[in-house]
Amino acid sequence: EVQLVQSGAEVKKPGESLKISCKGSGYSFTSYWIGWVRQMPGKGLEWMGIIYPDDSDSRYSPSFQGHVAFSVDKSISTAYLQWTSLKASDTAMYYCARHLGGSYSDYWGQGTLVTVSS
Amino acid sequence: QSALTQPPSASGSPGQSVTISCTGTSSDVGGYNFVSWYQQHPGKAPKLMIYEVNKRPSGVPDRFSGSKSANTASLTVSRLQAEDEADYYCSSYTGINNFVLFGGGTKLTVL
Repeated sequence: EVQLVQSGAEVKKPGESLKISCKGSGYSFTSYWIGWVRQMPGKGLEWMGIIYPDDSDSRYSPSFQGHVAFSVDKSISTAYLQWTSLKASDTAMYYCARHLGGSYSDYWGQGTLVTVSS
Repeated sequence: QSALTQPPSASGSPGQSVTISCTGTSSDVGGYNFVSWYQQHPGKAPKLMIYEVNKRPSGVPDRFSGSKSANTASLTVSRLQAEDEADYYCSSYTGINNFVLFGGGTKLTVL
């Protein structure tokens, strides 16, 4: 069974750094892109970008380029989404998903809620 | 790039059919057969309902169908059931750096 399990909720202060995780199982982790999607409170889905675990090739949405970073650890089938300096506007639910053909996501993690508040 | 355009709300009675539209441009929806639709219940992760315009993943009821004409894609939910009440999002591949666009979402209410 394909599963993506994300790390737990985080509460951070503005300016702090953060790395959340997404662990894949039940499939060949290095053979499928992993995508990240943001959902701000009460709002819609926003595509942040994708990373290919085999070689860490990453594609960022212009809206997120430079503010977040994707990475992977193939040895433990885990993808990461990282911030070096959080802002209050980063408060949102973040989903990872297995991304196929560059176009759609068939399996999703349960989401990680990130709250940034002073 | 702007989000794809969806109506904010749609509704129908049990047993009826409802269609949700998703309008883009020739650079996304109209340019590729890579439109997908997701269902999201409150507090839950999105679920893939349709991919590549009209394909259903295993386990998705055949009451859900997708289509596309020019720059507008559509999701039709037939024989509405109470559990279909949810938010629905379309998305499209844009061909730019594997970039994907989402629609703003449509809240489907089953009356």
